[in-house]
Amino acid sequence: EPEVTQTPSHQVTQMGQEVILRCVPISNHLYFYWYRQILGQKVEFLVSFYNNEISEKSEIFDDQFSVERPDGSNFTLKIRSTKLEDSAMYFCASRVMASGDEQYFGPGTRLTVT
Amino acid sequence: SQQGEEDPQALSIQEGENATMNCSYKTSINNLQWYRQNSGRGLVHLILIRSNEREKHSGRLRVTLDTSKKSSSLLITASRAADTASYFCATEGHLYQLIWGAGTKLIIKP
Repeated sequence: EPEVTQTPSHQVTQMGQEVILRCVPISNHLYFYWYRQILGQKVEFLVSFYNNEISEKSEIFDDQFSVERPDGSNFTLKIRSTKLEDSAMYFCASRVMASGDEQYFGPGTRLTVT
Repeated sequence: SQQGEEDPQALSIQEGENATMNCSYKTSINNLQWYRQNSGRGLVHLILIRSNEREKHSGRLRVTLDTSKKSSSLLITASRAADTASYFCATEGHLYQLIWGAGTKLIIKP
């Protein structure tokens, strides 16, 4: 069964460093998402992406964040200058349609900023 | 902003018993979804119920939706130790993003 994959599974970085989290969505999916979950807290929407541009973004997704689909398969989330509070689990998701069906989630990348 | 809020925050029951978790939200939705998360792991989709549906079943799962009360419930029947996890509701509104509740931590005691 097709699945969303994410790499790395765990990333440790120092404050101020740039990180790129990678996702490979399911191949026929057109809509892509990033969410994050700070330890012990609820999942929060970051950004949605369709047709090579951002569809929606939350207040969390400030100028330090960017997303890109550099080729036909990868979908990346870049954090330019990490802060301690960026430590969280980052989930990528994809789906076929804009709405009304399941979003398929990857296993997540645990980002630890020291 | 719309939010799913689950209750209880934590639930501990004996294996074989039924577990009921509730979710409330604030604004109109297109659908409501339930996910499971094992400790520190990924999010597993359980069931999606659309705003025009009132009840949906999937195996041992039963979900209800009451749009007049802006609430949903997830019932897991004949619970098993493997059901131990956190359960989240997530609502999808006109913006198509998922808005998540804080989750219910379910512990099934053998």
